[in-house]
Amino acid sequence: AQTVTQSQPEMSVQEAETVTLSCTYDTSESDYYLFWYKQPPSRQMILVIRQEAYKQQNATENRFSVNFQKAAKSFSLKISDSQLGDAAMYFCAYRNNDMRFGAGTRLTVKP
Amino acid sequence: DTEVTQTPKHLVMGMTNKKSLKCEQHMGHRAMYWYKQKAKKPPELMFVYSYEKLSINESVPSRFSPECPNSSLLNLHLHALQPEDSALYLCASSRSSPIKDEQFFGPGTRLTVL
Repeated sequence: AQTVTQSQPEMSVQEAETVTLSCTYDTSESDYYLFWYKQPPSRQMILVIRQEAYKQQNATENRFSVNFQKAAKSFSLKISDSQLGDAAMYFCAYRNNDMRFGAGTRLTVKP
Repeated sequence: DTEVTQTPKHLVMGMTNKKSLKCEQHMGHRAMYWYKQKAKKPPELMFVYSYEKLSINESVPSRFSPECPNSSLLNLHLHALQPEDSALYLCASSRSSPIKDEQFFGPGTRLTVL
């Protein structure tokens, strides 16, 4: 069974600084997708960034980028120039046939 | 229109009640999902519909009954629920592929079972 592990229940970052959220996963599949979702206090889940397993190049979306290490089964999220609006619960997710989420990391942004 | 809507936003029901949750999307997506999310926990997949057919049922108790009347609508019928079923129920949709496509989530229905 595929499992997704987020080892940091909570993280804190100063506004304008950079923070990295960790995620590891376990799978025997070669074709899959990885996602980072954000869930602000309003509770609506929003996709932050997506990575295809067959692509070696790390995905980037504006201030958000990933470090995808397929052999190590690691998929970390880097948030640069952190903003107050980045405060949320962040879920790492693995998708093959279905979607599996990690336990989440609650990110606090300090002004 | 790039959103998934869910009604009602909040629902309180007794264990003998029958109620339904509704989810709607008009993005032309052909895959729709129900998730259950307990407080401070990640969403747990319950059901997947692909092209209006149930493709995944994650061993959900029969007191939860999904229905996909058409490609835009997804219902979750509730009957004889237990207090431990209280949670946020999230609906999501994706274009079609079960693997690569982004899932768009609705705001959820917060269900309380008394």
